[in-house]
Amino acid sequence: DQQVKQNSPSLSVQEGRISILNCDYTNSMFDYFLWYKKYPAEGPTFLISISSIKDKNEDGRFTVFLNKSAKHLSLHIVPSQPGDSAVYFCAASEVNDMRFGAGTRLTVKP
Amino acid sequence: DTEVTQTPKHLVMGMTNKKSLKCEQHMGHRAMYWYKQKAKKPPELMFVYSYEKLSINESVPSRFSPECPNSSLLNLHLHALQPEDSALYLCASSPGGSTSGRVNQETQYFGPGTRLLVL
Repeated sequence: DQQVKQNSPSLSVQEGRISILNCDYTNSMFDYFLWYKKYPAEGPTFLISISSIKDKNEDGRFTVFLNKSAKHLSLHIVPSQPGDSAVYFCAASEVNDMRFGAGTRLTVKP
Repeated sequence: DTEVTQTPKHLVMGMTNKKSLKCEQHMGHRAMYWYKQKAKKPPELMFVYSYEKLSINESVPSRFSPECPNSSLLNLHLHALQPEDSALYLCASSPGGSTSGRVNQETQYFGPGTRLLVL
């Protein structure tokens, strides 16, 4: 069963606009959430995280929003840059488990 | 040094072979992880080592055998694999000093992976 879902396999946006990547989860025990970015032939690299006691965390151009009641989180990138083009994974963890989504491929067009 | 290295980058093996995947980090991290990722699927956690002790085993078949000889090295020994085991195997590490005691709340640093093909 896929407890963490990224329903959009791909997303294309124009440079300078906002990119919004979405992630849904089903396990209400998840209490820590992370976003990773992956370039081809490289391992995932950490981007930003959020604890369930918060509903927003911001780091430069990247903001993660958490809606616990909807079991939904999103990553906002603004303004988007061509170098942001990559696959983005969301991950959710509880005490003894960490699950990843299948990823969303973001393409930022110049 | 903020790198996690994995060798080999690619591996082709037969179902009767024995091979090992290696992972190394020199960041002083005390938690290390093995993940398996099939194409267009999320990474799936296989094993977690915390302070060189196996702390989580996600019911992985015994044909996969992890080993943590010291805090910098993590091996995955492979024996009698099946073609469906073909995947990208990712290693990761994290500091292991989380005040919550939960290593899976820490930022994990991933290696580039070993792409395994079982024939």
